[in-house]
This record gives sequence, C-alpha cells and structure tokens, in this order.
Amino acid sequence: NAGVTQTPKFQVLKTGQSMTLQCAQDMNHEYMSWYRQDPGMGLRLIHYSVGAGITDQGEVPNGYNVSRSTTEDFPLRLLSAAPSQTSVYFCASSYSRTSGGRSTDTQYFGPGTRLTVL
Amino acid sequence: AQSVAQPEDQVNVAEGNPLTVKCTYSVSGNPYLFWYVQYPNRGLQFLLKYITGDNLVKGSYGFEAEFNKSQTSFHLKKPSALVSDSALYFCAVSSHNAGNNRKLIWGLGTSLAVNP
Repeated sequence: NAGVTQTPKFQVLKTGQSMTLQCAQDMNHEYMSWYRQDPGMGLRLIHYSVGAGITDQGEVPNGYNVSRSTTEDFPLRLLSAAPSQTSVYFCASSYSRTSGGRSTDTQYFGPGTRLTVL
Repeated sequence: AQSVAQPEDQVNVAEGNPLTVKCTYSVSGNPYLFWYVQYPNRGLQFLLKYITGDNLVKGSYGFEAEFNKSQTSFHLKKPSALVSDSALYFCAVSSHNAGNNRKLIWGLGTSLAVNP
C-alpha cells in the first residue's frame, strides 16, 4: 500500500491565484481530513469527509473548498490564495469507527505540501 | 471546553537517559488519547493510543504512555532515549462531537532533542 499520498510537495503561488492540493489513499478509509500546520499553532482542521459525497467544515475552512467524489481522493482547493494561507498542509485518513460518538481510530498522514503565497 | 495541553515546548535529554513528554487533557467523560510523532519534513506518524483497559500503553519504537485519570494526564515515556528519537511529539484527544465529526483535539507539540 502506498498509504496517503499528497501532491505537490512544494508550491509557490502569487496572491489571488487558485490551485488544488491533491490527496489520495489506498486503504479504503471512510474518513479523510485536511489540516494546516503553522508554527506555534499546532494542527488545525480545515475540512473533513466521512465518505464519498459527504464533506463538512473544520475549524478554519474559510478560503478552502473540498469535494469527495470517490473514497480514495480528497482534493483541497484554494480559490484565491492569500499570504495568510502560507502553511504546511497535511491530508489524513482513517477508518470511521467510533465508541460513544468519538473516534477510536488511528489517523494516517500524508507527507505534506509546503505552500508559500507571495 | 475540551482541550489538550503539552506544557513543555521543548525537552532536552541525553542519549541513554529516560525521557518524558507531558500531556494533560480536559474532556467530558472517558477520554480516548493518542500520541503522534513528526520527524523533520515528514507527516505525523501514530505512536500509541489509549481507548480502554490497562493504563500503561505500549507503542512503536519502544515508547509507552501511562493514562492517569486522577491527574488527567497521558505522559509519553521511553526508558532509554536515542538520538533518532529527536522529533516533534503531539498529544491528541478524541472529542465528543455531534453528527459525523471524527475530530481530534491536538496539543501544540513538544520538540524533543536527544543529545549524543
């Protein structure tokens, strides 16, 4: 298994440009999510999906769109890039088992995309 | 409010010495707790988790963590540190959420430096 893959590894954008960060997993995981990691702020959840056709917002969704047309793929779209979106972006996936309404599953992370917006 | 705290931004230990990376939490009900490690320029990797059962949980690379309900802590430990253990460590707790959210609440991370 390749696990969770992300492309590109690095990207530089100009303010106002749009782009799509790709994420794919081959573990048949129902749950997929996007995080951004910034110094001193840990991991912040952008969007998540519990299955094909189902997406929802996390903590910091503004400026980002997602879709989930297949179980395997969960792309993140930046509509109009801003310098505040300079960050490292991680995609993660897991099974969707819960107990008492809370996740019990290990999340598997991709290697990340380092994005700079000028 | 549900939260996770890692009180130390950085921990320094000498190779061969025991190491502890601290984590405390605040959640309602029984917590589900996780530790992840991030090596430089890499994604996060799962180390171990506590869901139920024995309070001492053993994980990857010789790490273990002890769940302490009275102190609301889940400290990560290793008896003998290696230089290769130098990395960023994250504690996380699985939160109560309505609907479909499988959200984890993350600590801010602790940078571990093991000196030769």
